[in-house]
Amino acid sequence: EPEVTQTPSHQVTQMGQEVILRCVPISNHLYFYWYRQILGQKVEFLVSFYNNEISEKSEIFDDQFSVERPDGSNFTLKIRSTKLEDSAMYFCASCQGINQPQHFGDGTRLSIL
Amino acid sequence: AQSVTQPDIHITVSEGASLELRCNYSYGATPYLFWYVQSPGQGLQLLLKYFSGDTLVQGIKGFEAEFKRSQSSFNLRKPSVHWSDAAEYFCAVVSPSGNTPLVFGKGTRLSVIA
Repeated sequence: EPEVTQTPSHQVTQMGQEVILRCVPISNHLYFYWYRQILGQKVEFLVSFYNNEISEKSEIFDDQFSVERPDGSNFTLKIRSTKLEDSAMYFCASCQGINQPQHFGDGTRLSIL
Repeated sequence: AQSVTQPDIHITVSEGASLELRCNYSYGATPYLFWYVQSPGQGLQLLLKYFSGDTLVQGIKGFEAEFKRSQSSFNLRKPSVHWSDAAEYFCAVVSPSGNTPLVFGKGTRLSVIA
């Protein structure tokens, strides 16, 4: 069964550094999402992406965050200048279309030192 | 604003016992409903979904859930729990009206004892 894949599985970065989290959604999916889960808390929506543009974003997704689909397969989340509170598990998800369930990757654990 | 409540933070059951995890939602209209499971260090795996029709839905790994509109609930059940079911379970909703993000509950951690 096709999967959403995320790399790396764990990223350790110094505070203030830029980090890029990578995702390869399922190939025929059209809608892409990033969520994050701070340790011990619930999964929170960050941003959704469709037709090469952001379709919705949450309050968490401030100017430090950006997303990109640089080619036909990758979907990246960039954090420009990381803060301690960015430490979390970041999940990428994709779905085929409206009214279809979202499929999640295994996540990237981001640790900011 | 839409919200999902999972009132049980942690549940412990004996292997072979039955299980029910509670989920209530607050939404303007009947949303689409999902249960996801997260094993330690893993991503979120879809267990089952409800869009419309039969209010009792079957999922993977022997799980089922029942949608009750009058109670705004979507409780997850399993008749006989296995040790491998120990994980975190998340209920989630999404608007049926378009491409909107999932709204998750805080999760219920399931422990299984021998």
